[in-house]
Amino acid sequence: NAGVMQNPRHLVRRRGQEARLRCSPMKGHSHVYWYRQLPEEGLKFMVYLQKENIIDESGMPKERFSAEFPKEGPSILRIQQVVRGDSAAYFCASSPPTSGETQYFGPGTRLLVL
Amino acid sequence: GESVGLHLPTLSVQEGDNSIINCAYSNSASDYFIWYKQESGKGPQFIIDIRSNMDKRQGQRVTVLLNKTVKHLSLQIAATQPGDSAVYFCAEGGGATNKLIFGTGTLLAVQP
Repeated sequence: NAGVMQNPRHLVRRRGQEARLRCSPMKGHSHVYWYRQLPEEGLKFMVYLQKENIIDESGMPKERFSAEFPKEGPSILRIQQVVRGDSAAYFCASSPPTSGETQYFGPGTRLLVL
Repeated sequence: GESVGLHLPTLSVQEGDNSIINCAYSNSASDYFIWYKQESGKGPQFIIDIRSNMDKRQGQRVTVLLNKTVKHLSLQIAATQPGDSAVYFCAEGGGATNKLIFGTGTLLAVQP
């Protein structure tokens, strides 16, 4: 069984560009979560989505950040007009509908903003 | 606000010894706790979880203990191996939206 997949694994952007991070949940999982991890820190919750719905986006910055989980295809975390402070590792997790708390993580996308 | 913290940022143990990693949580309403292991350059790997109606849960070589009175969580690793070297995070959850709140992590270094 394939685990949570994320791509790209590494992404380099210049200030002002857009970053798109993709996440494919584990087979059978319908809940997706995005977390951000700064160096030497723990993961911080950003957003929780189910298919075509944003359930909780309380951890996501109000500007420049958006997330979606369409009916078909992967979940997308989009960062517009990136700044150096956006440099971090972004992790996606998924869970099955029957056990929401047990989240399984992908390998992450390391975003570097020059 | 809510927070989850760890007592020890770094733990160094000898191979074969038992390891104990501690964690304090502040939200008494949390009813679900998880330990994750994160190796360098990788995503967090689920180790073991426990619900608030339990005090102890055992897995393969790992045991999680929950003390709700003092809001303390610990992870015990038996016969620690070099492959156990990683950063360990505790996380709390159980809210309406399933989001997890992570601590800052403890680096476990296993000496051969």
